[in-house]
Amino acid sequence: AQSVTQLGSHVSVSEGALVLLRCNYSSSVPPYLFWYVQYPNQGLQLLLKYTTGATLVKGINGFEAEFKKSETSFHLTKPSAHMSDAAEYFCAVTIAGGTSYGKLTFGQGTILTVHP
Amino acid sequence: DADVTQTPRNRITKTGKRIMLECSQTKGHDRMYWYRQDPGLGLRLIYYSFDVKDINKGEISDGYSVSRQAQAKFSLSLESAIPNQTALYFCATSDSKTYTGDYEQYFGPGTRLTVT
Repeated sequence: AQSVTQLGSHVSVSEGALVLLRCNYSSSVPPYLFWYVQYPNQGLQLLLKYTTGATLVKGINGFEAEFKKSETSFHLTKPSAHMSDAAEYFCAVTIAGGTSYGKLTFGQGTILTVHP
Repeated sequence: DADVTQTPRNRITKTGKRIMLECSQTKGHDRMYWYRQDPGLGLRLIYYSFDVKDINKGEISDGYSVSRQAQAKFSLSLESAIPNQTALYFCATSDSKTYTGDYEQYFGPGTRLTVT
């Protein structure tokens, strides 16, 4: 079965600073990886996803993530934080076959705080 | 109008009561899911349905039941609510027929349930 670990339940940055949210996964077969964002009192919205092909994936709102198979990582970055980026971020994994296909396994979430 | 809707959005109920949470979608997707979100635990899968006649338990199904009344409707029931079922509940959908097969899920706005 696959699993996801998000390092750091809370990350705090200053406006304009680099955002780095860490995600490591475990999967015995090639994974599909996702980052979702949850703004206060809202549902989850897809930021970006990796399925196959290019390992550097660009998403909405200036976020990007790089799939590194050797490190089993899919860290989320944004060069310059904005106040509106304050939210909770979830990394998730699924696989394309077997009994777990199509089911997402989520990490514990990382709350991003952006200071003026 | 939202593609995935959940009713009610907020509910307070007492221990021992039966309660139903409803989810409807207009996306035409065949797959539907119920998750609960607890602080620090991320989202955990309760039940999932890959079509109207295919319903499966997730990782935390005890104390819950579901009904897939139609392709567009998927309800979650708590037969006898208990306080540790206090959580934020999300419904999600996905489409098995997308050409990418990446199983991206689309989330409703959530139902905040409090059991006293």
